[in-house]
Amino acid sequence: NAGVMQNPRHLVRRRGQEARLRCSPMKGHSHVYWYRQLPEEGLKFMVYLQKENIIDESGMPKERFSAEFPKEGPSILRIQQVVRGDSAAYFCASSPTRGFDQPQHFGDGTRLSIL
Amino acid sequence: QKEVEQNSGPLSVPEGAIASLNCTYSDRGSQSFFWYRQYSGKSPELIMFIYSNGDKEDGRFTAQLNKASQYVSLLIRDSQPSDSATYLCAVDTGANNLFFGTGTRLTVIP
Repeated sequence: NAGVMQNPRHLVRRRGQEARLRCSPMKGHSHVYWYRQLPEEGLKFMVYLQKENIIDESGMPKERFSAEFPKEGPSILRIQQVVRGDSAAYFCASSPTRGFDQPQHFGDGTRLSIL
Repeated sequence: QKEVEQNSGPLSVPEGAIASLNCTYSDRGSQSFFWYRQYSGKSPELIMFIYSNGDKEDGRFTAQLNKASQYVSLLIRDSQPSDSATYLCAVDTGANNLFFGTGTRLTVIP
C-alpha cells in the first residue's frame, strides 16, 4: 500500500492519559500535515512538518499537544492528559513538496475516543 | 467570516442527473482549489484540483473556477449512487495548510 498510513485506526483513552497517533507519508513525500475533524465540522489544520522540522504549528493548541517527524520513522502527534473535547478524527496528509499545485493526500485517520 | 463556505445540504439528485456543488472563499489571494470526496467514516479522497480560471474536466467531473467571484464549483455528470458522499471544498491560500469547508452531503437516488 503506497498511500498515507495512519495507526491506530481507533484509539480509546481515559481522561488524563496520553494518546499517540502515528502517520507514515506516501513514498517520496517529505511534507506531512495533521488535521482534526470534529463531528459535523470541517477539517481544521493543526501542524505542518518536514523531516525533523516543524514548519507551522499555528493550528495546534499550545498546551498538551505536540508533533514530531523524525529523520527515521513516522510522524507522531502526541496528546498529553487527554480531555473529552479531544475526541475527534485526526487525519494526516502528505505531499511531495509544498506548492500550490501539490495536492495533499490523506490517510484513513485515527478516531480518538475519550472516556 | 468563514474562510470557505459550502451549503451543507443534503443535496439529492436522481441517478443519471448532474449534481452541482458550490463553494465560495474569502481570501482573494487564494491560489488553488481542491475537491475531496469523503464517505462516512473514511478519509478525504482527492477528486481533482484547479488553479486557473475556467473549467477543468476529468471523466464525469468538471471543476469550475471564477477567481473574480471567489467561487469554485464541482459538477458531477451522470451521477451514480456510489457518488453519494460528502464533498469537501479546500482552498490553498498560500499559507502552509488547506482551509476546508464543512462539506456538502450528496445523495444520488437510484
